[in-house]
Amino acid sequence: AQSVTQPDIHITVSEGASLELRCNYSYGATPYLFWYVQSPGQGLQLLLKYFSGDTLVQGIKGFEAEFKRSQSSFNLRKPSVHWSDAAEYFCAVGAALYNFNKFYFGSGTKLNVKP
Amino acid sequence: DGGITQSPKYLFRKEGQNVTLSCEQNLNHDAMYWYRQDPGQGLRLIYYSQIVNDFQKGDIAEGYSVSREKKESFPLTVTSAQKNPTAFYLCASSFTEETQYFGPGTRLLVL
Repeated sequence: AQSVTQPDIHITVSEGASLELRCNYSYGATPYLFWYVQSPGQGLQLLLKYFSGDTLVQGIKGFEAEFKRSQSSFNLRKPSVHWSDAAEYFCAVGAALYNFNKFYFGSGTKLNVKP
Repeated sequence: DGGITQSPKYLFRKEGQNVTLSCEQNLNHDAMYWYRQDPGQGLRLIYYSQIVNDFQKGDIAEGYSVSREKKESFPLTVTSAQKNPTAFYLCASSFTEETQYFGPGTRLLVL
């Protein structure tokens, strides 16, 4: 069965420090992979996506993610975190079911940024 | 401005009452989705629709109903059969098999 695991429920980093959020998935074929960000009381905003090709993808707000097939991972990174990055981050896998792309979401990682 | 709108932002439900959450999109997307979000959990799919006048149950459809009479609109009704309706509800849309884009959400509270 398809699933997405985000092992870290909460992460705290200092402003200016680097960030890596982990995401592991279980899926039999090559998945579509996504990272979304959610501010409190808001909807989800797409940060970046991977469908195929270059395994290092660039997104908005200076984020990037790397697809590693051998590790079934799609970790999100940012070299220098800003206070405005404090939010909850969700990893998602799109699994093709007939002609429907069903999304499986991880349970999220809350990022806290220390000044 | 293209996007997805949800209304209301907050909704209060009394015992035994049905309430309807609105979702509209002007992105010309074919598919629309409803998700439920509870604290500490990921998003769970309630219903989805790939085309007008057709929709399918997701993983937690019990106590909910939908309609898709127009391409732009996909309202969700939370019926009195849903015993634990307090949650944040998110609507999304996409071209079929493509990236899903989300609305701002509706928070449903029980009085």
